[in-house]
Amino acid sequence: EVQLVESGGGLVQPGGSLRLSCAASGFTFSNYWMNWVRQAPGRGLEWVANIKKDGSEKYYVDSVKGRFTISRDNAKNSLYLQMNSLRAEDTAVYYCARDFYYGVMDVWGQGTTVTVSS
Amino acid sequence: DIQMTQSPSTLSASLGDRVTLTCRASQTIRSWLAWYQQKPGKAPKLLIYKTSTLESGVPSRFSGSGSGTEFTLTISSLQPDDFATYYCQQYSSYQYTFGQGTKLEIK
Repeated sequence: EVQLVESGGGLVQPGGSLRLSCAASGFTFSNYWMNWVRQAPGRGLEWVANIKKDGSEKYYVDSVKGRFTISRDNAKNSLYLQMNSLRAEDTAVYYCARDFYYGVMDVWGQGTTVTVSS
Repeated sequence: DIQMTQSPSTLSASLGDRVTLTCRASQTIRSWLAWYQQKPGKAPKLLIYKTSTLESGVPSRFSGSGSGTEFTLTISSLQPDDFATYYCQQYSSYQYTFGQGTKLEIK
């Protein structure tokens, strides 16, 4: 079964850091670009970042540039999102999603919740 | 970046109705548009990509059309499982963007 499972969310103070993980199974992870997408409470979807199959290219939404870093470990079938200098507006459910066709996301995890609050 | 605007924000409809949801891009995205369905507390589900290509397993009552800057998602005959929020997403540029969503409610 093709599956993505996120972990690492939690409560963090403004200015703090958190590292999210996404474990992939049921498909050849190294063959796909991967994405992080977030959804603030009661709001719509916002694409956050993506990474090429071999990790050589990475793209970010402007609001997280310089604060978030996407990475992957193909040997471990895992995707990561290092989040630094967190702000209240980063509070959201974070989903990892497989990119199967130039930006189309066909497999999603269940999400992990990040809450930034003092 | 490319802005995506969906209308209406909320749509009330009845079982069996034919409904059309609209998505507009702030600049041309050719046919690089996808539609997702999301239910409360769940991850989004891919319905359609490249404007009109139905994802495997998605019922044929869903269809998509458009090009350039204006796109539509049509559900030909609403079923109980269709009441959800729908998002369009452009992938023309490396910074992907979603519309704000259309919530489809039961009338």
